[in-house]
Amino acid sequence: DAGVTQSPTHLIKTRGQQVTLRCSPISGHKSVSWYQQVLGQGPQFIFQYYEKEERGRGNFPDRFSARQFPNYSSELNVNALLLGDSALYLCASSLTGATTDTQYFGPGTRLTVL
Amino acid sequence: GQQVMQIPQYQHVQEGEDFTTYCNSSTTLSNIQWYKQRPGGHPVFLIQLVKSGEVKKQKRLTFQFGEAKKNSSLHITATQTTDVGTYFCASPLFLVNNLFFGTGTRLTVIP
Repeated sequence: DAGVTQSPTHLIKTRGQQVTLRCSPISGHKSVSWYQQVLGQGPQFIFQYYEKEERGRGNFPDRFSARQFPNYSSELNVNALLLGDSALYLCASSLTGATTDTQYFGPGTRLTVL
Repeated sequence: GQQVMQIPQYQHVQEGEDFTTYCNSSTTLSNIQWYKQRPGGHPVFLIQLVKSGEVKKQKRLTFQFGEAKKNSSLHITATQTTDVGTYFCASPLFLVNNLFFGTGTRLTVIP
């Protein structure tokens, strides 16, 4: 079975631009979470979706938004990019998003903002 | 707010030596999960501990969850070069699985 997939692998944008990152969860998983990992730090939670509904939101500005589609794939959008948005963006999928569910991470999208 | 600290931040060991990383929380944790991230890679799930005082083993790796469910440790016996990476503990926030990651311990194994 395929794991979590993310696209694109790498992305270079300039300040002020907008970006859309995509994630496909493991087959059968209904929950997707997004994390931001700045170099040298641990991942920071951005959003969690389950059955197309937002279940949780981390401490990120409104420039960050996400959605989940009927096939459980997800998109993360970031508007008005800042230099500080440069990071590895990780998507994780789990069966239901319950606290005891294992989260499986995708390979990430490395975003560089110039 | 909830904080999960890990020590040490960095650890260099000779191949064959043991390694331990500790995870400490200011609040009681519902469960603790451990992940390994290789350089340039993504976090890979290792184990989940749920019960107070729980101990689990995976080959050379031993995981413990404290009696008060506020701390945890990961011990690797006889490290190998394949153990290189950053080890993170993580715990869910509130009632959903929004993982709060610790600061991580970066392990270097010298051949």
